[in-house]
Amino acid sequence: EIVLTQSPGTLSLSPGERATLSCRASESVSSSYLAWYQQKPGQAPRLLIYGAFSRATGIPDRFSGSGSGTDFTLTISRLEPEDFAVYYCQQYGSSPQYTFGQGTKLEIK
Amino acid sequence: QVQLQESGPGLVKPSETLSLTCTVSGGSVSSGSYYWNWIRQPPGKGLEWIGYVYYSGSTNYNPSLKSRISISVDTSKNQISLKLSSVTAADTAVYYCTRGSRQRGWFDPWGQGTLVTVSS
Repeated sequence: EIVLTQSPGTLSLSPGERATLSCRASESVSSSYLAWYQQKPGQAPRLLIYGAFSRATGIPDRFSGSGSGTDFTLTISRLEPEDFAVYYCQQYGSSPQYTFGQGTKLEIK
Repeated sequence: QVQLQESGPGLVKPSETLSLTCTVSGGSVSSGSYYWNWIRQPPGKGLEWIGYVYYSGSTNYNPSLKSRISISVDTSKNQISLKLSSVTAADTAVYYCTRGSRQRGWFDPWGQGTLVTVSS
């Protein structure tokens, strides 16, 4: 099973700042099969990025994904108040099997 | 657009079977492009994939839960179902149903989720 480790666990930033969230895999993941989700309290996760780089429908362009192999990054260029939430990365592997990272909480500083 | 809605008991006794249904609207579970998944989230914790069903009835389960899970599809009702047997307090979680891309493995959209508490 591929383990995804997200860092940092908590990120404290102010609106307008840039956020960089990391997702590291225990073994290589195809970029085609790496996704990012946003989850706000009391809500279901929402798909942000799929295929490591592609924004889902309706996702603002301040969200971007990058990376390959074992290291992937979600960047939020300029934080808006509504962006403070928990973010999860997820991979789709052989079998097929799916695993999630443990999450990064993005909080207002 | 496609919407998913979970339903079922919010309280299940230890050792009993948890049963949930997900009703899909605005789209068909018979679409060949998607798997229909269950994912859960214990209170205050992260996400765990439980398993999926394809419209044909074929399934794939998380190995850690495989011995206790059954996921099925009813194309006539546009529903999928989850049964989890021999539950314990560790199975207390919000249970989500979600559509998954067969080709790319992403999940979208998600149902709102339903909290199931295991307690006597």
